[in-house]
Amino acid sequence: GENVEQHPSTLSVQEGDSAVIKCTYSDSASNYFPWYKQELGKGPQLIIDIRSNVGEKKDQRIAVTLNKTAKHFSLHITETQPEDSAVYFCAASAASGGSYIPTFGRGTSLIVHP
Amino acid sequence: GAGVSQSPSNKVTEKGKDVELRCDPISGHTALYWYRQSLGQGLEFLIYFQGNSAPDKSGLPSDRFSAERTGGSVSTLTIQRTQQEDSAVYLCASSLALGAGDEQFFGPGTRLTVL
Repeated sequence: GENVEQHPSTLSVQEGDSAVIKCTYSDSASNYFPWYKQELGKGPQLIIDIRSNVGEKKDQRIAVTLNKTAKHFSLHITETQPEDSAVYFCAASAASGGSYIPTFGRGTSLIVHP
Repeated sequence: GAGVSQSPSNKVTEKGKDVELRCDPISGHTALYWYRQSLGQGLEFLIYFQGNSAPDKSGLPSDRFSAERTGGSVSTLTIQRTQQEDSAVYLCASSLALGAGDEQFFGPGTRLTVL
């Protein structure tokens, strides 16, 4: 089955700095890579995703890059703000038995200091 | 509009008791998923439903865990004879369908503590 590794587990930055979270996956059949943000006491919320036919996608201050050859993808947050503080999860999914059940990384706790 | 709701938000129970967790998905979403989130861990997939059917139950940790969905809507996750290692946050998500890229919308979770 799929195995997703996520690093770092904790990331502490100053407001205005950039933050980068990296994930690797094992199943070459994976073709959909979402990123979720989980704030305290809430469920994860999708913030950006990328498919295997795209190398990079950007949405305002966040961007995701994908390297299918190396089987890794990264989340980039620029000009970080205190409200970016949360736990971020990467995931990878591919069709299995007709469904797409994502495998999640262990999460990265991002702390943005004002 | 209304998102995914879960109840109760917190549940404290004694070892050996049965618990039932409820999930109300977004109206019209045919796919429903249950995950378990332990402290410092990622999301562990438990089971999914397409309509009322659960094609793959292999993610359930043991035969003490069961889930059902009725009317293509509400789902319940039941844990029998709870153990301390069952303590975790149980998350439910729903999506419009089961295709790749169908966004999963998560509920706030039920925090289960087994004493």
